[in-house]
Amino acid sequence: EADIYQTPRYLVIGTGKKITLECSQTMGHDKMYWYQQDPGMELHLIHYSYGVNSTEKGDLSSESTVSRIRTEHFPLTLESARPSHTSQYLCASSELGAGTGFTDTQYFGPGTRLTVL
Amino acid sequence: AQKVTQAQTEISVVEKEDVTLDCVYETRDTTYYLFWYKQPPSGELVFLIRRNSFDEQNEISGRYSWNFQKSTSSFNFTITASQVVDSAVYFCALTTGETSGSRLTFGEGTQLTVNP
Repeated sequence: EADIYQTPRYLVIGTGKKITLECSQTMGHDKMYWYQQDPGMELHLIHYSYGVNSTEKGDLSSESTVSRIRTEHFPLTLESARPSHTSQYLCASSELGAGTGFTDTQYFGPGTRLTVL
Repeated sequence: AQKVTQAQTEISVVEKEDVTLDCVYETRDTTYYLFWYKQPPSGELVFLIRRNSFDEQNEISGRYSWNFQKSTSSFNFTITASQVVDSAVYFCALTTGETSGSRLTFGEGTQLTVNP
């Protein structure tokens, strides 16, 4: 299993603030992902990365940005937070498994619950 | 396009009852992978199981069992003798692997409440 960490776990900030949500994994996984989860439970992919200096937008449009300068680190930044950004943000990582076939499994961090007032 | 449907939004049972969570998927790919994740109130997603489309063998792990049927495009999850600690949101997910860039498509989730 992956060891994947997210900080902070909870964050309450005012409108207009710049914030960075941290995500780190210690397993050397090449692939990393950010999901947004609203109280209605459904998860939406907002960003992903297949390796250093590789980032792509996901299925749900997001005003956030990401960077991947180191394999283990995939931070998400909001330049100017708004109440509409209030949500839970989940980070995940995965790797191709050894042996035959495709065995990619995403492992998730504990999440960051963001509230923008 | 791929889609995962979990028709049961909420299920409530009494401890020790058996409960089955339904998952129906849609994909045009012949190679795909199905997953179940558990999300307890603390918020993290915990990986439970992965199946590939070539392996229809059902699996049992303790009180958990999974029934994969390609003929009905279903991958149902049964908890036997449920316990209060099983209370969580359960997500079914699908990826077609390389053709989807390893991206997961999640169902809407099923909130399971196990009452003492």
